[in-house]
Amino acid sequence: NAGVMQNPRHLVRRRGQEARLRCSPVKGHSHVYWYRQLPEEGLKFMVYLQKENIIDESGMPKERFSAEFPKEGPSILRIQQVVRGDSAAYFCASSLDRVGVGYTFGSGTRLTVV
Amino acid sequence: AQTVTQSQPEMSVQEAETVTLSCTYDTSESDYYLFWYKQPPSRQMILVIRQEAYKQQNATENRFSVNFQKAAKSFSLKISDSQLGDAAMYFCAYRTSGSRLTFGEGTQLTVNP
Repeated sequence: NAGVMQNPRHLVRRRGQEARLRCSPVKGHSHVYWYRQLPEEGLKFMVYLQKENIIDESGMPKERFSAEFPKEGPSILRIQQVVRGDSAAYFCASSLDRVGVGYTFGSGTRLTVV
Repeated sequence: AQTVTQSQPEMSVQEAETVTLSCTYDTSESDYYLFWYKQPPSRQMILVIRQEAYKQQNATENRFSVNFQKAAKSFSLKISDSQLGDAAMYFCAYRTSGSRLTFGEGTQLTVNP
């Protein structure tokens, strides 16, 4: 019974390139959350999605960042035209329902922008 | 807005001793959840313990227990009989039903042999 799977584990991008981070939730979970962890800091909420819907994107930067959770396939966090300040660990979590008691994190993707 | 504060950036404890990590939070909600997560160098976020605000009894998970003071908005974590494997960054977190987790800045725990 696999947990939340994130890939890639490490991603290196040059400034101006696009970064795509993937998250496969726990089987049966339809609620996905993305968080960002800057060096030496706690995790900060970015976006909350259900299948095919964005529920709360109040933590997402207004430009260059987007997220989706299609009917089929993993959730994708997309960062266009990356800058050095985007370097961080990006975590995905999933839950079975909106209450989210069974909230499970993935191992994160570390994005490095060079 | 909800905030979570961890006032101890670093803590250390001798193996087999007890250590307490502090956390305070600010909220106007009456129904919410509080969590302690452990993040070892592997970066995996591991749930240590969870407390529902409506429960007066403090949560306990083996060597881990909390002191939940709702009126004071305090939620400290006590680790008894500390082990080398307990060394990690510990994050306190808050959430209301269906909403995002709000994390503190973390406490780096070192366990000395």
